[in-house]
Amino acid sequence: TQLLEQSPQFLSIQEGENLTVYCNSSSVFSSLQWYRQEPGEGPVLLVTVVTGGEVKKLKRLTFQFGDARKDSSLHITAAQPGDTGLYLCAGSLTGTASKLTFGTGTRLQVTL
Amino acid sequence: EAQVTQNPRYLITVTGKKLTVTCSQNMNHEYMSWYRQDPGLGLRQIYYSMNVEVTDKGDVPEGYKVSRKEKRNFPLILESPSPNQTSLYFCASKYLSTDTQYFGPGTRLTVL
Repeated sequence: TQLLEQSPQFLSIQEGENLTVYCNSSSVFSSLQWYRQEPGEGPVLLVTVVTGGEVKKLKRLTFQFGDARKDSSLHITAAQPGDTGLYLCAGSLTGTASKLTFGTGTRLQVTL
Repeated sequence: EAQVTQNPRYLITVTGKKLTVTCSQNMNHEYMSWYRQDPGLGLRQIYYSMNVEVTDKGDVPEGYKVSRKEKRNFPLILESPSPNQTSLYFCASKYLSTDTQYFGPGTRLTVL
């Protein structure tokens, strides 16, 4: 059983469209991170959210942590081809700060 | 240049032949971790280490060993590899006080 479920698994959109990726769990996380991974490389951290209800913005990317700290979302406005990649959420369960559980991943392709 | 290095990058081996994948970081990070990445399952943590001589199991430790004799190195040992250990492996490191993990470039292992 996967602790963190991401949806959708695949997303193919055109440049300029908006999109939202979801990361859901039945467990409570003390913090949640979002990563982007490009082919042939390791994941790169985009953001960490730690407070229920927290919203963080990184240029065209908006990250939200659910009030109950069980879910998160990543919204991309006006997607660009450079946003193409695998997006991963990862969380630390309460009391296990050093143990990171990753979601199943969302593969995003943005075409011209 | 601050980085995490892994060797080898690609390895094809046969069932039962012991192998070691090395991981080294030059950032003086206390925390190091090994993950495997499989399609549809995301990244799963194998083992992690919070400092020299301190290691702990992640979510999928069976069939793997690690050691942390020096701060910079965290080798992953497969004593008797099996085909179900065919995967893409990532090493990562970070300071204990921060969230940002730095990932290595990955090792693609095939066990025949």
